[in-house]
Amino acid sequence: EPEVTQTPSHQVTQMGQEVILRCVPISNHLYFYWYRQILGQKVEFLVSFYNNEISEKSEIFDDQFSVERPDGSNFTLKIRSTKLEDSAMYFCASSVGGARNTEAFFGQGTRLTVV
Amino acid sequence: TQLLEQSPQFLSIQEGENLTVYCNSSSVFSSLQWYRQEPGEGPVLLVTVVTGGEVKKLKRLTFQFGDARKDSSLHITAAQPGDTGLYLCAGPPPTGNQFYFGTGTSLTVIP
Repeated sequence: EPEVTQTPSHQVTQMGQEVILRCVPISNHLYFYWYRQILGQKVEFLVSFYNNEISEKSEIFDDQFSVERPDGSNFTLKIRSTKLEDSAMYFCASSVGGARNTEAFFGQGTRLTVV
Repeated sequence: TQLLEQSPQFLSIQEGENLTVYCNSSSVFSSLQWYRQEPGEGPVLLVTVVTGGEVKKLKRLTFQFGDARKDSSLHITAAQPGDTGLYLCAGPPPTGNQFYFGTGTSLTVIP
């Protein structure tokens, strides 16, 4: 069964460093998303991406964050200068159509620890 | 104010008992999804409900979408320890292109 894959599963980084989280969405999906979940808290939307551009972003997704689809298969989330409060699980998701028409499938997540 | 409120927040029951988890909103949703999440893993899609009043069954799990499409429930019959996890409802808010997640219900089934 097709699935969303994320790498790495765990990333430890020093405060102020840049990190890139990688995702391979399901191959025939056109819409891509990043979410985060701080330990013990709810799943929070960061950004949605369609047709090589951001379609929506939350207030969490500030100038320190960026997304890119560098080739036909990968979807990346970059955090330019990590802060302690960026420590969280980051989930990538994809859907065939937009959120109003289809359902999203999630990857296993990347646990980001900023020290 | 949360767009999707789930109740209860925590639930601990004995194996074999029945339970119901609720997902409520003051807004109309075009669809709602239910996910189950285990610690350290991503949400796994269980079901999507689309039509008001719709009922879907997945083995011992019964999902219902409210007639007005503002609420949904998940009923588990004869809960088993393997049902333990975080149950999340999610759906597209009235505007935008995202899946908004509810506050979650953490279920523990004690053997």
